[in-house]
Amino acid sequence: AQTVTQSQPEMSVQEAETVTLSCTYDTSESDYYLFWYKQPPSRQMILVIRQEAYKQQNATENRFSVNFQKAAKSFSLKISDSQLGDAAMYFCAYTNDMRFGAGTRLTVKP
Amino acid sequence: DAGVTQSPTHLIKTRGQQVTLRCSPKSGHDTVSWYQQALGQGPQFIFQYYEEEERQRGNFPDRFSGHQFPNYSSELNVNALLLGDSALYLCASSLMGVSSTDTQYFGPGTRLTVL
Repeated sequence: AQTVTQSQPEMSVQEAETVTLSCTYDTSESDYYLFWYKQPPSRQMILVIRQEAYKQQNATENRFSVNFQKAAKSFSLKISDSQLGDAAMYFCAYTNDMRFGAGTRLTVKP
Repeated sequence: DAGVTQSPTHLIKTRGQQVTLRCSPKSGHDTVSWYQQALGQGPQFIFQYYEEEERQRGNFPDRFSGHQFPNYSSELNVNALLLGDSALYLCASSLMGVSSTDTQYFGPGTRLTVL
């Protein structure tokens, strides 16, 4: 079975600093999509960023970027210039079979 | 542009009862997926509906069933409720298109409590 592993249950970052959340996955497929979702305490899951496996270029959305290492099956999320509103649970997802990681709780300190 | 909506917001049931949760997809989307999210865990895929058919299913018992209507809205039914069914149930919609793994947009969820 495919697995998605987020090895950091909790992370903390100082406001305006940079933090990286880790995600690894297991797959035998060559074409797939990876996503990072954010879930604030209000509980609505919000799309942060998406990466298509066939694209070599790492996806970027404003302060959010990924480091996609296909051979290593690694998909980390970098948040630059962290803001208080970034505090949330972050989930990595491999959606060929709708699989999510267990999540990383990010705390942002003022 | 209306996003994904779910009803009800909260629900309390007792063991053995049956429950129906509802989801309306984002405008223009034709595919609905359902997830169960236990407290402190990541979402677990239940099933996905496209063209009124169950297209994919996760590792959930037959007590979990669903339906998709011609207007693409969907229902999740759970029979013979167990205490362990207490969770946040998330609905996500997407557009099937060429790829079966297009971006999913989530609703706010229904919090089910089984007593």
